[in-house]
Amino acid sequence: IVLTQSPGTLSLSPGERATLSCRASQSVSSNYLAWYRQKPGRAPRLLIYATSIRATGIPDRFSGSGSGTDFTLTISRLEPEDFAVYFCQHFSSSPFTFGPGTIVDIK
Amino acid sequence: EVQLVESGGDLVQPGGSLRLSCAASGFIFSNSEMNWVRQAPGKGLEWLSYINNGGSIRYYADSVKGRFTVSRDNAKNSLYLQMKSLRVEDTAVYYCARMYTSSSGKTIDYWGQGTLVTVSS
Repeated sequence: IVLTQSPGTLSLSPGERATLSCRASQSVSSNYLAWYRQKPGRAPRLLIYATSIRATGIPDRFSGSGSGTDFTLTISRLEPEDFAVYFCQHFSSSPFTFGPGTIVDIK
Repeated sequence: EVQLVESGGDLVQPGGSLRLSCAASGFIFSNSEMNWVRQAPGKGLEWLSYINNGGSIRYYADSVKGRFTVSRDNAKNSLYLQMKSLRVEDTAVYYCARMYTSSSGKTIDYWGQGTLVTVSS
């Protein structure tokens, strides 16, 4: 399964809404789609799993949705720490591939 | 507190071998499925390998199949990645990562800090 993320880069201002897309080449069970945020020089951090379940400690400005081949991560109001790279990953079957990432940078 | 600490990264020549280790603490390691993920400099994340809690099921990315071997020692709370026939393109930060499985689904929930492997002559 190949994951494609769009846009490649999203330039927004703090307080704005961010909508990130993850598209799969084959259908992915909604139980098996996750999103991570990665800041420079740091390991990724889990944000959302099973398409829409927020990980422990993740604020409710993050939400996930989707089904089949189209999934979305929404950040309702960007905080300074949200300017980072976001990756989606599936766990439907091996290999558990990642998308190429979306960079969210400050406009 | 869940902790995953990788070690073993180094500078190695093309064609060489290296063994990475990941020391786990703060959770019941023998109950957890584990993964290795890498990230080349300035690039995205690449999933490499999975091993189930008992070590009987292993999966690999095509890019490392036949060259890398994942293993674990539950008595030592440790995960390993044996790498051979290393190539320049294997240069990356290598992460150990815990798999979380529930009735809701699967995900990687904890990551180590990573260890750098540089393959260069």
